[in-house]
Order: sequence, then C-alpha cells, then structure tokens
Amino acid sequence: DTAVSQTPKYLVTQMGNDKSIKCEQNLGHDTMYWYKQDSKKFLKIMFSYNNKELIINETVPNRFSPKSPDKAHLNLHINSLELGDSAVYFCASSQPGQGTDTQYFGPGTRLTVL
Amino acid sequence: LAKTTQPISMDSYEGQEVNITCSHNNIATNDYITWYQQFPSQGPRFIIQGYKTKVTNEVASLFIPADRKSSTLSLPRVSLSDTAVYYCLVAYNQGGKLIFGQGTELSVKP
Repeated sequence: DTAVSQTPKYLVTQMGNDKSIKCEQNLGHDTMYWYKQDSKKFLKIMFSYNNKELIINETVPNRFSPKSPDKAHLNLHINSLELGDSAVYFCASSQPGQGTDTQYFGPGTRLTVL
Repeated sequence: LAKTTQPISMDSYEGQEVNITCSHNNIATNDYITWYQQFPSQGPRFIIQGYKTKVTNEVASLFIPADRKSSTLSLPRVSLSDTAVYYCLVAYNQGGKLIFGQGTELSVKP
C-alpha cells in the first residue's frame, strides 16, 4: 500500500507550457507539503496545507499554485514553465502533534523543462 | 536568519560508527530536530527525531548538547546499504520555517 503517491513520476515539457503534478496520501494526515529538490540535492519547502488551508507559503513565483480539493490531496499547478523549474518535486504529509511532525514523502516527480 | 548546516560528504567503511553533525545556531526552545535518509530516485525517509539530550531507536541515535545549537546523528556499525544522503531538518516554530540542511552524502566502502 502506497502511503504518499505522486503522478506523474517523470514529466518532460517545453518552456512556456502549463503542467500539474498530483499528490495523494492515504495516511489520514491533516498536513501536506510540496518540496523542490534542485540538482545539488538541496530540499526546499514550497507550500504546506493543513486540512485544506494554506499554512506555509515560501517565496515561490506565483506561477506555482497549490490546490487542495480535500485533505488527502495536494496538487501543484505550474504555469508558464521556465528552464529553472527543472527539478524533482516531492510531496509529503504529516500528522501534527506535539513539537514537530514526522513527514512521509512521496517518490518524487522529476520535471524537465526543455 | 534561521540556518541548518551539515557537511556535504563523508566516507566510511563497513562496520564503523558514523557521526554526522548538524549546526542550527538559531534554534529556539520548542524547535525539534529530525533526520531523514534519502536513496537515489526515492523520497526522504524518517530516521530519528529529538528535542534534547539523547534519543535512540533501532537504527540510530541522536545526540543533542545542552545548548542545542548542534545535533549529531550516530549510525552504529554501518553497512554498504547505509550509503545515502542524510538530511537534518529543523522546524523553527518562530515564523513556521521548515529548513533542511544541504544534506550529507555518506559513502560506505567495503
């Protein structure tokens, strides 16, 4: 049973296109996240949602728009793709508790913008 | 400015103990430290989490000194399968920041 799943696993597209990445978790968690991992393997948080509400919104171009139709899903839509958007994008989920939360990551979506 | 810093790479041999240190100078009283392991083409996976002193589980130990400005992940008797990138994460409650270190690439040799 996959806990956090993402589709697609690979995405190759042209500059200027619009694309979406989907994420689903079956852990019953209230919080979901999107991270970007660049070519140097640096992991940076982009967004976090708690029960469908945005709680973390880092300095990310407004071409990136997260959408949470329900607490089990957090999709990432990217408009007008640029070369610098090429990276691996990870979705994660956690259940808020005392202190900080253990995050469960999806397998990642490798986005290549040509 | 909240920052989480760790060495870029480390080498070890099978059977040795490996210690990876993470610096987090601006950590506050209620901020937790979490370590993740990442294999190629996979998402990071939780290893251990701690707040102060020492935490131990079946795979690792986490040592946190009294000033909490650093923490050390200890992997006892590593094997080839422990070759991976290890990330330190600090959840800074002030400002709601989640900041990963840049990752330490551990290479375990026979």
